[in-house]
Amino acid sequence: ETTLTQSPAFMSATPGDTVHISCKASQDIDDDVNWYQQKPGEAVIFLIQEASTLVPGVPPRFSGSRFGTDFTLTISHLESEDAAFYFCLQHDNFPYTFGQGTKLEIK
Amino acid sequence: EVQVAESGGGLVKPGGSLRLSCAASGFTFRTFTMNWVRQAPGKGLEWVSSISPSGNYIYYADSVKGRFTISRDNSENSLFLQMNSLRVEDTGVYYCARDSILDFWGQGTLVSVSS
Repeated sequence: ETTLTQSPAFMSATPGDTVHISCKASQDIDDDVNWYQQKPGEAVIFLIQEASTLVPGVPPRFSGSRFGTDFTLTISHLESEDAAFYFCLQHDNFPYTFGQGTKLEIK
Repeated sequence: EVQVAESGGGLVKPGGSLRLSCAASGFTFRTFTMNWVRQAPGKGLEWVSSISPSGNYIYYADSVKGRFTISRDNSENSLFLQMNSLRVEDTGVYYCARDSILDFWGQGTLVSVSS
């Protein structure tokens, strides 16, 4: 089973900041990592697929990258609406596994 | 517009059963893998089960294997999760998600297992 270790669990930032959220995989999973945004009472939003491909309709402030088994979600020029829970998913092998999630607070 | 909508959640005693449904619209349901994912209160997400477009390939998390059964009715554009022998730790919001990359999610249905 592939473990995704996501960090930080919580972060607080100011509008206009750039933040980075990390997911480290326990084994090689190629580019098979997606990133998602979750807000209370709303459907989960698909942000990044295959580690670095922006999903159509998602603001280009969101970006993803990969270095080996390390995956990063970067949000630039933070806006207040970016306050949410963010999580990664690996779909390379079963069982699919998720990172523990990051709660992003906007001050 | 792609939509998936879960239903069937509720309060059940340990050892009880529930059947969740997911109604799909806005896409050719029969051509997509479908998934169930759950989220315990205040916790992260856990993949539960996946089923291939024809239903020939099915996968389960170890935590639900032997108790839960995923199925689909392509003529009705519907996905199901039969949950038996429910445990307190099965409590959470259950989401239906489309495709092997989980690109579209519903808003979830709450399952509460408590005596």
